[in-house]
Amino acid sequence: RKEVEQDPGPFNVPEGATVAFNCTYSNSASQSFFWYRQDCRKEPKLLMSVYSSGNEDGRFTAQLNRASQYISLLIRDSKLSDSATYLCVVSQGRDDKIIFGKGTRLHILP
Amino acid sequence: DTAVSQTPKYLVTQMGNDKSIKCEQNLGHDTMYWYKQDSKKFLKIMFSYNNKELIINETVPNRFSPKSPDKAHLNLHINSLELGDSAVYFCASSQDSLDLYYYEQYFGPGTRLTVT
Repeated sequence: RKEVEQDPGPFNVPEGATVAFNCTYSNSASQSFFWYRQDCRKEPKLLMSVYSSGNEDGRFTAQLNRASQYISLLIRDSKLSDSATYLCVVSQGRDDKIIFGKGTRLHILP
Repeated sequence: DTAVSQTPKYLVTQMGNDKSIKCEQNLGHDTMYWYKQDSKKFLKIMFSYNNKELIINETVPNRFSPKSPDKAHLNLHINSLELGDSAVYFCASSQDSLDLYYYEQYFGPGTRLTVT
């Protein structure tokens, strides 16, 4: 099993729709979970951290399921500007190995 | 002001050459990283330094040598470049905090290296 796995997509979603994608991780000792966003030919930028109790930031909701070892990202009322690649990031902590998933490509269609 | 900057932005060179990529952050962060993103867009950590001390050193050929003259700079020197080194190299930084688990990494714009 790969350390961090994501569905590469692309997810083609009409504007205004809700879209969700998951990321699974293999190391049960993982403690830190994040979603980063990367636009084409740009650097990754933090979208949100994923806390144990789940967290929401505007239209974005992140969840962590430790029992099944996955994190999820839900985007409501999707906008054209949400089109990007979403990278799942997992680590055991700040000074430990940081693993990026290969990303899920999202295309929001007008 | 650019928070994390890298130079050069593009680097085209021949196999066997030695090249360096420079990274500077003006955020006052304690930790800096180098990542490699290959043609399949897979982003993989290479090194991290905390206050000039090597913290993470992934399985990277010895031809790659990071150097941190001070905590605001982390340069990457590559000897005897190979075709497989062609990729985008990202520098990043993060701030130490009491929370060991949640830390935002700020990435530089990347250096696109092409080895011919």
